[in-house]
Amino acid sequence: AQSVTQLDSQVPVFEEAPVELRCNYSSSVSVYLFWYVQYPNQGLQLLLKYLSGSTLVKGINGFEAEFNKSQTSFHLRKPSVHISDTAEYFCAVSDPGSGNTGKLIFGQGTTLQVKP
Amino acid sequence: DVKVTQSSRYLVKRTGEKVFLECVQDMDHENMFWYRQDPGLGLRLIYFSYDVKMKEKGDIPEGYSVSREKKERFSLILESASTNQTSMYLCASSFLYEAFFGQGTRLTVV
Repeated sequence: AQSVTQLDSQVPVFEEAPVELRCNYSSSVSVYLFWYVQYPNQGLQLLLKYLSGSTLVKGINGFEAEFNKSQTSFHLRKPSVHISDTAEYFCAVSDPGSGNTGKLIFGQGTTLQVKP
Repeated sequence: DVKVTQSSRYLVKRTGEKVFLECVQDMDHENMFWYRQDPGLGLRLIYFSYDVKMKEKGDIPEGYSVSREKKERFSLILESASTNQTSMYLCASSFLYEAFFGQGTRLTVV
């Protein structure tokens, strides 16, 4: 079965430092990849998605992610974080058997804590 | 903008009660989902609906049922709430490959 692993449960970082949140998935077939962000007491908001094309995907709020098929990874990066980036981040992949339903398999989440 | 609205942000219910969580989307999406979110476990799919009156079990359907009588509304039902169902519940609708989420309902069963 498809699975998604976020390698860090918590990532503390100082403001204006770069950050990378790591995500690996298990499928060897083509999948679509997503990063969502959840601010405290809110629902999930799409940060970026990879469907096809360029392996470097740019999203909102200065985030980007790189799709690496050989390593089955989709790591999220930001060159300089702000206090307001403090949130929980979820990596997700589409269920390969679900067609275009939008059915997703999520990782466990990574809490990004930006310190002043 | 797509709007997915969950009827309650916070709920406190007693063990054994029947609980209804309501979700409405305004974009005529065919697919709707109920997820449960627990710390360290991410989001897990409870039920999925791909059309009116159509439903499919997700990864953790035990103790839950769903209802979709109209395209825009997808309800999650806890037939007899238990303390282990205390959690954050997230509703979503999707178009093509993108899912849109509601604000979540934090349910506490006491």
